Amino acid sequence: GAVVSQHPSWVICKSGTSVKIECRSLDFQATTMFWYRQFPKQSLMLMATSNEGSKATYEQGVEKDKFLINHASLTLSTLTVTSAHPEDSSFYICSAPGHLGNTIYFGEGSWLTVV
Amino acid sequence: EDQVTQSPEALRLQEGESSSLNCSYTVSGLRGLFWYRQDPGKGPEFLFTLYSAGEEKEKERLKATLTKKESFLHITAPKPEDSATYLCAVRGAMNSGYSTLTFGKGTMLLVSP
Repeated sequence: GAVVSQHPSWVICKSGTSVKIECRSLDFQATTMFWYRQFPKQSLMLMATSNEGSKATYEQGVEKDKFLINHASLTLSTLTVTSAHPEDSSFYICSAPGHLGNTIYFGEGSWLTVV
Repeated sequence: EDQVTQSPEALRLQEGESSSLNCSYTVSGLRGLFWYRQDPGKGPEFLFTLYSAGEEKEKERLKATLTKKESFLHITAPKPEDSATYLCAVRGAMNSGYSTLTFGKGTMLLVSP
């Protein structure tokens, strides 16, 4: 079964609104989680590293004020897309390392469509 | 900068027709090469982690091997349910302290009955 859960699986929002995506580790603690973005037929691109109890680390070119990340607990990280625009429409995926980092588990992904 | 190149981009096989997918990589201090399976509209599903040249791992019809420059994912007697995109990713020494991965673009496999 899934060890990392994302919610919602898909969401449609109006341009200019904000939307929150949750990523939960199931049955294990994750002090670090990762947020990726994937466009159709493209590879996963790392957006940011979410750190429990401290600020997220963003990859170059990713607007931290637009993609707000909060790692509220050892099992929950959230990604909020603020003032969403159609170009933010994408597939967002989170991941968390398992024990010792030998396995990195991914969530089921969240489809965001901004209309 | 870590780089991962997967080939071919797409592969079509008949059921039972064995083949291999390639993942070439350059990395500063390999700390793991990962294979994932991704179905359309879903998150990647973990398959294997390889750490050192010569290492091999198997799972059902899949076998992953690793050299110092590339990894192969061998598919033996594939079935239609093996159809998916297979992703390869590396974790390098420059990512010390993190579990960030650099992904290839994937190989889209279609197995026809």
